[in-house]
Amino acid sequence: AQSVSQHNHHVILSEAASLELGCNYSYGGTVNLFWYVQYPGQHLQLLLKYFSGDPLVKGIKGFEAEFIKSKFSFNLRKPSVQWSDTAEYFCAVNSGGYQKVTFGTGTKLQVIP
Amino acid sequence: GAGVSQSPSNKVTEKGKDVELRCDPISGHTALYWYRQSLGQGLEFLIYFQGNSAPDKSGLPSDRFSAERTGGSVSTLTIQRTQQEDSAVYLCASSTPGQNTEAFFGQGTRLTVV
Repeated sequence: AQSVSQHNHHVILSEAASLELGCNYSYGGTVNLFWYVQYPGQHLQLLLKYFSGDPLVKGIKGFEAEFIKSKFSFNLRKPSVQWSDTAEYFCAVNSGGYQKVTFGTGTKLQVIP
Repeated sequence: GAGVSQSPSNKVTEKGKDVELRCDPISGHTALYWYRQSLGQGLEFLIYFQGNSAPDKSGLPSDRFSAERTGGSVSTLTIQRTQQEDSAVYLCASSTPGQNTEAFFGQGTRLTVV
């Protein structure tokens, strides 16, 4: 069965700091990987996704993530965070030709002005 | 519709009562998911519908939970004899067929059992 681990539950950063949120998954075959974001009071929305090709994917608002197959990881990065990036971030995976998406437990990011 | 629509947006119910939560997916989306979001628990998968296939019910926490999807469109999640631990935000998402697609989420229904 597929599973996703997000090891950072709550991250607090100052504006302009760099961000890296960890995500590891547990499936050895072909995977699709996603990062979703939930801003306060809003619904979950897609930040970026990896299906195939270049393992470095770029999403909205300056976010990027790198798929490292050997490490089963898909960490989310942003070189300089803003107060408006305060949100909860979820990593997700589907795999093995099965559409069902499994989510991690989420990481709450708080950016201090 | 333009997006995934869930109703009601908020529901307060007494312990022991039954509740029904509704999800109206994006037109043409054959895949539909229900998730539960509790404080500190992240997103918990409940059930997944894909077209006419048998639903994946592996995430339903107890037999008090059930879901239907009529006509391949609207879905209803029913919780019988609600308990306080059922209090959470229930999220619905839909997507087009195929693995390489993203899920679009509704705003959720906040259920409070008192």
